[in-house]
Amino acid sequence: TQLLEQSPQFLSIQEGENLTVYCNSSSVFSSLQWYRQEPGEGPVLLVTVVTGGEVKKLKRLTFQFGDARKDSSLHITAAQPGDTGLYLCAGAGRSNYQLIWGAGTKLIIKP
Amino acid sequence: DTGVSQNPRHKITKRGQNVTFRCDPISEHNRLYWYRQTLGQGPEFLTYFQNEAQLEKSRLLSDRFSAERPKGSFSTLEIQRTEQGDSAMYLCASRPTGGRNYGYTFGSGTRLTVV
Repeated sequence: TQLLEQSPQFLSIQEGENLTVYCNSSSVFSSLQWYRQEPGEGPVLLVTVVTGGEVKKLKRLTFQFGDARKDSSLHITAAQPGDTGLYLCAGAGRSNYQLIWGAGTKLIIKP
Repeated sequence: DTGVSQNPRHKITKRGQNVTFRCDPISEHNRLYWYRQTLGQGPEFLTYFQNEAQLEKSRLLSDRFSAERPKGSFSTLEIQRTEQGDSAMYLCASRPTGGRNYGYTFGSGTRLTVV
């Protein structure tokens, strides 16, 4: 069974600080996606990483896919209250049909 | 196209009643997914359609749950004889044909509360 473990589960920091969220597995994924979800809404895709070692930047967010394609990280620089939300990672595994989802990291940025 | 649309947004029902939710995916997307999500958790896979064919259904899904996508466009998810444990957010997502690396577009979900 393929599993994705996200850490930390919960993070509350002050505006302006940096943070990193991790997504780890013992399985290899063909790609990994990061989503952000606000309360009462569906997840919104932020980025897809495909190549081992790939780094993608989205303004203050930096996403990295591990060289072995088993893990990924999301780094936020100078966090802002608007970054508050549930961050989910999801990996495309053996099945072409569905993603393997992490349990999410609940992020709160205090002004 | 305004994205994936789900109706209703909220549903409160009494235990034992049947409920039906609707999902209208992005028109060019032939793949449609239903997920269930409880507070603070990641989405849990329920079922998957490619066009009108239901290709996969979670083993966790009881016989009380059924989904259809009759013409390969919109889809419905029905829960019969609802139980309090069915209370959750039900999410629909679609994505285009192609490799597994395409991201999903989610609807805003239907929040079900069984009282």
